Amino acid sequence: GAVVSQHPSWVICKSGTSVKIECRSLDFQATTMFWYRQFPKQSLMLMATSNEGSKATYEQGVEKDKFLINHASLTLSTLTVTSAHPEDSSFYICSALQGLAAKNIQYFGAGTRLSVL
Amino acid sequence: ILNVEQSPQSLHVQEGDSTNFTCSFPSSNFYALHWYRWETAKSPEALFVMTLNGDEKKKGRISATLNTKEGYSYLYIKGSQPEDSATYLCAFHAGTASKLTFGTGTRLQVTL
Repeated sequence: GAVVSQHPSWVICKSGTSVKIECRSLDFQATTMFWYRQFPKQSLMLMATSNEGSKATYEQGVEKDKFLINHASLTLSTLTVTSAHPEDSSFYICSALQGLAAKNIQYFGAGTRLSVL
Repeated sequence: ILNVEQSPQSLHVQEGDSTNFTCSFPSSNFYALHWYRWETAKSPEALFVMTLNGDEKKKGRISATLNTKEGYSYLYIKGSQPEDSATYLCAFHAGTASKLTFGTGTRLQVTL
């Protein structure tokens, strides 16, 4: 149980285009999902917390107009990188929160490698 | 900014060796400490969620301990196997917020 699917796993796009990444909880409902970014040899950095039916909460320094997050259902959150530029090239990974608040376990997708040419 | 550090950054052991690595985190405002195992091209997999000082958890050959007063956790692997090769991440959960702060991970490689 507790499977999270993330698509695509790898995407190459031209500078100036937008890219959408999907994060789905397959066998549970997730009112809260998280989006992280990882640069080489660095830790997973939280970008934003996505809450079903409400606006996402962005971490300091993350441009909300650049990284659009939509969480329209209990099983799907999307991250759209708008007008992508080479500096947006990175590894993006989502997670979904399941179960008891005390355990607060996040279940992760496998990530998306974005390369902007 | 919360500081979560893991050491060593990478580790190379032979099959059958036992090994351990460290996660250090802030000793204040502690709520929980998470350990994840992340194999290449796969999703990070939750290993343990630790909440109590002195807690010790075990899953097969892997175990973890927690010291919240001094702000560290150890992960132990007994009799390492090639399938244990992965990056092991710890994540600090502060206060009542649901978000986690991750360390950079320890990359373990187990060879025959």
